Parts: sequence; structure tokens; C-alpha cells
Amino acid sequence: DAGVIQSPRHEVTEMGQEVTLRCKPISGHDYLFWYRQTMMRGLELLIYFNNNVPIDDSGMPEDRFSAKMPNASFSTLKIQPSEPRDSAVYFCASSPGGADTQYFGPGTRLTVL
Amino acid sequence: SQQGEEDPQALSIQEGENATMNCSYKTSINNLQWYRQNSGRGLVHLILIRSNEREKHSGRLRVTLDTSKKSSSLLITASRAADTASYFCATSVGGNKLVFGAGTILRVKS
Repeated sequence: DAGVIQSPRHEVTEMGQEVTLRCKPISGHDYLFWYRQTMMRGLELLIYFNNNVPIDDSGMPEDRFSAKMPNASFSTLKIQPSEPRDSAVYFCASSPGGADTQYFGPGTRLTVL
Repeated sequence: SQQGEEDPQALSIQEGENATMNCSYKTSINNLQWYRQNSGRGLVHLILIRSNEREKHSGRLRVTLDTSKKSSSLLITASRAADTASYFCATSVGGNKLVFGAGTILRVKS
């Protein structure tokens, strides 16, 4: 298996623009997690899905952030409009069993100017 | 505040020495996991220890868990330059979420 795939790996955009991050989880994994990592706040869980259904989005910072999982092999995290404080590395992770071992993608480094 | 807090924040050792990192947490847990992150990469799972276990080994890694003290330690024996990375503990407190600590930065000098 190729592991968790994220795209793009790097994204530079200007404030106010829409940003869409993409994730393909490991086949057969029922759980998908979106995290954000910054120096100031560390690794934060934004939202997670179970069988394509959002279960807990309490970590989503505000309404500018939205996430979808239209099928078992694809998820998106969208920021609209983006702001400089959204600059971070965004990770997607998948797991066969929730809070058991999570498999992380390589991350998307987002820079909002 | 973080559920898991690693100590020390940074550690620098010589190749061949052992490295010990500690993690303290606040609430009861179902399991505790350790992950490694190399610079610019995603996190990689190292080991999982359940709340009813006290010690676990995996190659050069040894993890202990003391639920009475709400703490865990990760020991890397005979460290190598390739072990240079950040190490995070993550706790499962119920549901399906993990809460990650701030991490320990380990540098192994060759």
C-alpha cells in the first residue's frame, strides 16, 4: 500500500483565497483524521470521520474551515477565506480502529501571505 | 492545556548512548502511544501500550507506563544518528481521538 497520500505537498496563497487540501487514506481504514501542526500550538486534531461520516469537528477553528469525505478513499479540507494565521502544516491520518495506531500522510505545508 | 506533556523538551546525546523521554498526562487513558517525526515528514507510529500493560519492547525501544503516576517513558537504547527526530506521546482518553503532547526533540551526534 502507498500509505496515506496528501496533495498538494506545498501551497502558497494570498489572504482571502480559497484553499483545498486533499487526502487519500489507506484502503480499508474506517477512520480519517485531519490535524494541524504549528510551532505555537503543536499538533491539533481538527476533525475526524468514521465510515465517511464526520464524528467530531470540535477542533475546527471557525466557520472558514470545512471538511468533507464523499467516499471511503477521498477527503478534503477547505479554508475559505484563508488568513495568514492559517499558515501551518496540515496532516491527514487514517486508522483501522479509531484511537489505535494512526498512519499519517506527509502533510501539506500551507503558507498564506 | 496539553493532555500529554513530554520531558525534556530537547535532548542531545552521543551515538551509542541511551535516550530517555518522559510523558505525563492528566486524565485516565485507554492507551498511550509514541510517535516519531523526522524533520519535514509525517508522524510515524512507534509503539502502543494499553492501560493494563506496564512495559512493552520493540527492537531498541522500551516503553513503560505507570498509571498511578500518570506517566510513561520511552527508552531508546544504543542510539544512532538516524534516531534524530521529534518524539511525541499521544493518549487515547475515550472515543476515537488521540491527544498529542508537545514533543521532545532528540539529537544524536555521531
